[in-house]
Amino acid sequence: AQSVAQPEDQVNVAEGNPLTVKCTYSVSGNPYLFWYVQYPNRGLQFLLKYITGDNLVKGSYGFEAEFNKSQTSFHLKKPSALVSDSALYFCAVRDSGYSTLTFGKGTMLLVSP
Amino acid sequence: DAGVIQSPRHEVTEMGQEVTLRCKPISGHNSLFWYRQTMMRGLELLIYFNNNVPIDDSGMPEDRFSAKMPNASFSTLKIQPSEPRDSAVYFCASSLGQITGELFFGEGSRLTVL
Repeated sequence: AQSVAQPEDQVNVAEGNPLTVKCTYSVSGNPYLFWYVQYPNRGLQFLLKYITGDNLVKGSYGFEAEFNKSQTSFHLKKPSALVSDSALYFCAVRDSGYSTLTFGKGTMLLVSP
Repeated sequence: DAGVIQSPRHEVTEMGQEVTLRCKPISGHNSLFWYRQTMMRGLELLIYFNNNVPIDDSGMPEDRFSAKMPNASFSTLKIQPSEPRDSAVYFCASSLGQITGELFFGEGSRLTVL
């Protein structure tokens, strides 16, 4: 089975500060990990993914994520938050033996001016 | 390129009525997914098609829900009869079908059952 956990319902950060949105996963095979962002009344948009190779993955809008196999984590990061980054963020995992993505519950990111 | 197209964007109906949600995946994508999003349960996978064939429908809540994909460019999700607890945002997503590939989501259909 595959599962993913986002331990924080909400993350608050001031504009210009670094942000981290946490994600941990559980798989039996090799993990393929994804981050998505959802703005109000919109569909989910793909940000970045980890498949193999470099543990630090860079994606859209200046976001990056760090894969840590020993901690089974894939935290989303950005060096300097923008107010426009405020949105709902989803982590997702696909085990190497599965065809479907399992999504976390989502973390609401609020960036204050 | 057009993304995944869903219709209607909003649907308000009364309990007991039939609801049909429609999806046009991205051209060339051979996998299609229907998800449901609610505040209480988050994102739930309802059904997954590969090459127009349903592969996994274990997430379909009950017999009132059915989904079809008659061809590579069209899918429907039908609820009959609808109930207030079916109120949610329903998303369609498509992908190239590779295990490493990301999903591309439509804008969703917001269903309200009164």
